[in-house]
Amino acid sequence: DAKTTQPNSMESNEEEPVHLPCNHSTISGTDYIHWYRQLPSQGPEYVIHGLTSNVNNRMASLAIAEDRKSSTLILHRATLRDAAVYYCILSADTSGTYKYIFGTGTRLKVLA
Amino acid sequence: GAVVSQHPSRVICKSGTSVKIECRSLDFQATTMFWYRQFPKKSLMLMATSNEGSKATYEQGVEKDKFLINHASLTLSTLTVTSAHPEDSSFYICSAIIRGIHNQPQHFGDGTRLSIL
Repeated sequence: DAKTTQPNSMESNEEEPVHLPCNHSTISGTDYIHWYRQLPSQGPEYVIHGLTSNVNNRMASLAIAEDRKSSTLILHRATLRDAAVYYCILSADTSGTYKYIFGTGTRLKVLA
Repeated sequence: GAVVSQHPSRVICKSGTSVKIECRSLDFQATTMFWYRQFPKKSLMLMATSNEGSKATYEQGVEKDKFLINHASLTLSTLTVTSAHPEDSSFYICSAIIRGIHNQPQHFGDGTRLSIL
């Protein structure tokens, strides 16, 4: 199973952009890159996903390297509510079912 | 849309008890649901993949007789922890994908915190 590597923790000041990196050097051609975040005692919340091209939505942007071996989740203006554990996940096709293998995630701390 | 509900949100019971956790997709049909467990300060670990109308596929190291999964309908999957012991205490989370759409995001429930005394 393809794995992801993320920094254990990061800090950001409120109202500033945050760039959360993820390495996935063993990614295969059909693996999608998903980002979720999780607050304490809650299930993961979908943030964004992509395959090859950069993606934007109301929550964040996803920048994918040309060789797809890394990606960056961009929060344009961090707020206190963005403090969470962010997971970068590759969805691996296993007999037609795309299952997630979670990595260790990055704990984002937002400073007021 | 795409809401997944888990019940109960928290359960405390005595050692030796069997506990059933429900995972429902409220506004969509889910051919596939996934069950995860999460220990404190740790990441989610996939336990099994549950397909409607067929047997669940368990990840390596997960005891299928210990963690019984049933996916009898397109909106409901259940996880039963049989003869639970303190080491089974954990946060159990389910997710679901919408029928007919491949490689789209999984929709997660809010988890069930299981505490075995």
